[in-house]
Amino acid sequence: EVQLVESGGGLVKPGGSLRLSCAASGFTFSNAWMSWVRQAPGKGLEWVGRIESKPDGGTTDYAAPVKGRFTISRDDSKNTLYLQMNSLKTEDTAVYYCSTIITGTPAFDYWGQGTLVTVSS
Amino acid sequence: ENVLTQSPGTLSLSPGERATLSCRASQSVSSSYLAWYQQKPGQAPRLLIYGASIRATGIPDRFSGSGSGTDFTLTISRLEPEDFAVYYCQQYGSSPRYIFGQGTKLEIK
Repeated sequence: EVQLVESGGGLVKPGGSLRLSCAASGFTFSNAWMSWVRQAPGKGLEWVGRIESKPDGGTTDYAAPVKGRFTISRDDSKNTLYLQMNSLKTEDTAVYYCSTIITGTPAFDYWGQGTLVTVSS
Repeated sequence: ENVLTQSPGTLSLSPGERATLSCRASQSVSSSYLAWYQQKPGQAPRLLIYGASIRATGIPDRFSGSGSGTDFTLTISRLEPEDFAVYYCQQYGSSPRYIFGQGTKLEIK
């Protein structure tokens, strides 16, 4: 059974940093393309960024609102995905989900339960 | 930048009725790159349809997707009580890579 478990959310002040983790199991993590998607309270879904599998190049890609501030990385030896968030803004307040990307088609098939990040002074 | 517009914003129907949800793109989208998700309160989204018309694993056949170019549709043939939720369409493009529509709330009439 595929499982994605996010952790690391919490309250942080504007300008601060936070690192989210997503522990994966039930599939071959090293071959998976992974993504982060967020959802502000009461709002819709917003894609944050993506990382390819290392065999496919390991390239990262980010949405414009977070580019230069957020960094996605992976540790295939630990089956874990990370999201390093720096220079946080109040508008980054959201539930952050990690998800897998279906091989060969850009849809998000498995999702974690999400972790809440609140940016507030 | 492509924009996905979902309509209606809210759809009020009764169990047993047919639901038709629309997703319109401002620029043409490859059918291979259009997906639909269901989200219930307090839960993560669930993939329903990808490639515009391919049901994801475990999705009942009362859910179907169709469309091409700029107009896509999610149809739920006979609504079950568990189908009342928010539905999002999503497209893959060049920049940004992945775009979601603003959602359609399907509520019980």
